[in-house]
Amino acid sequence: KNQVEQSPQSLIILEGKNCTLQCNYTVSPFSNLRWYKQDTGRGPVSLTIMTFSENTKSNGRYTATLDADTKQSSLHITASQLSDSASYICVVSASNAGNMLTFGGGTRLMVKP
Amino acid sequence: DTGVSQDPRHKITKRGQNVTFRCDPISEHNRLYWYRQTLGQGPEFLTYFQNEAQLEKSRLLSDRFSAERPKGSFSTLEIQRTEQGDSAMYLCASSRGPGTALNSPLHFGNGTRLTVT
Repeated sequence: KNQVEQSPQSLIILEGKNCTLQCNYTVSPFSNLRWYKQDTGRGPVSLTIMTFSENTKSNGRYTATLDADTKQSSLHITASQLSDSASYICVVSASNAGNMLTFGGGTRLMVKP
Repeated sequence: DTGVSQDPRHKITKRGQNVTFRCDPISEHNRLYWYRQTLGQGPEFLTYFQNEAQLEKSRLLSDRFSAERPKGSFSTLEIQRTEQGDSAMYLCASSRGPGTALNSPLHFGNGTRLTVT
């Protein structure tokens, strides 16, 4: 069964600090992995998308890494801001899945001043 | 392009009542998805349309749920005889091509939050 597990479930950090969120998946055959940011009461917004051949992709202060061998991804947030407070969702698609995406449960990040 | 629009943003209803939500996708997107999301969880797939055809339905979509996309543009999701367990955020998303493809990521609306009392 395709699954995506994220850790930690929640995280509190001080403004200006860095943090790393983890995503482990068992989706096969792997096609691509996306990180979404979801503000409270809003829909998810895409941050990055990575394929099998990509190890790192950045979007401003967000850097995603992918290790397709160990089936792990991480999202690193640098110099956190209050506006980074949100849920971060890892989404993996299989190449034989048609339109089906496998969503993780998300990591809820709170940045405090 | 104003993005994916959902209406209403919030709905409070009493158990047993019927509710209907509307989703307007991005205009050139022919694929439309409905997801349900409960607090602290990721979105769960409900159903998917390609143009006006409903091509996939999750087991989560009980017979009290029905979705339509009559002209291949906007879509409605109706829940009949609502139960307290239906309380959730209902998200709509659209994409130009398959949602799993690199060049056609899902664009989500801001959801309709349903509370069944």
